[in-house]
Amino acid sequence: QKEVEQNSGPLSVPEGAIASLNCTYSDRVSQSFFWYRQYSGKSPELIMSIYSNGDKEDGRFTAQLNKASQYVSLLIRDSQPSDSATYLCAVNMAGTGFQKLVFGTGTRLLVSP
Amino acid sequence: EAQVTQNPRYLITVTGKKLTVTCSQNMNHEYMSWYRQDPGLGLRQIYYSMNVEVTDKGDVPEGYKVSRKEKRNFPLILESPSPNQTSLYFCASRPEDRVLLGSYNEQFFGPGTRLTVL
Repeated sequence: QKEVEQNSGPLSVPEGAIASLNCTYSDRVSQSFFWYRQYSGKSPELIMSIYSNGDKEDGRFTAQLNKASQYVSLLIRDSQPSDSATYLCAVNMAGTGFQKLVFGTGTRLLVSP
Repeated sequence: EAQVTQNPRYLITVTGKKLTVTCSQNMNHEYMSWYRQDPGLGLRQIYYSMNVEVTDKGDVPEGYKVSRKEKRNFPLILESPSPNQTSLYFCASRPEDRVLLGSYNEQFFGPGTRLTVL
């Protein structure tokens, strides 16, 4: 089982719709969760972080965390063509004396005009 | 401007020719890491450093070396590059963990170095 799993997509949504991106993780003791957006050939850009169960909203983005189910999601409301990118889920996991950040392989989102 | 810089951004080289990719951050972060990104495999950590002179292997360290002589710099060294090291490389930095708060500080990435080994 992969440590952080995401559907690779592509997830296609029309402009103005809600895009829902999902991620599951294997380490029950993980406490920090992040969503990064990555445009092709560019570096990952942090868009959301969440540490507690429930929802966290920031503009058009909402992160949802359910630690009991080991599940974190990202909702993008009013999707725009500029949101077309790969979204990486990242979860902190215990390493040797170091909390390492483990990434999923990403979900590609395509927003059509 | 707070940032992580990498050089070079693009590099084409030949098998066996030693190379160094530099990484520098101006945020006074303790932690720095190197990742490689390959299609279908995602981001994989090569090496990391928790502070000056403190480094350790990540998940895919074979064929790479690092050093951390100054807090701001964390170069990645390929002593004898091979074609399977052709990849997109990212340096990243973040502040020291807030262990007592149980949270992991946000990580910032450099712009990436696209390396091709022929």
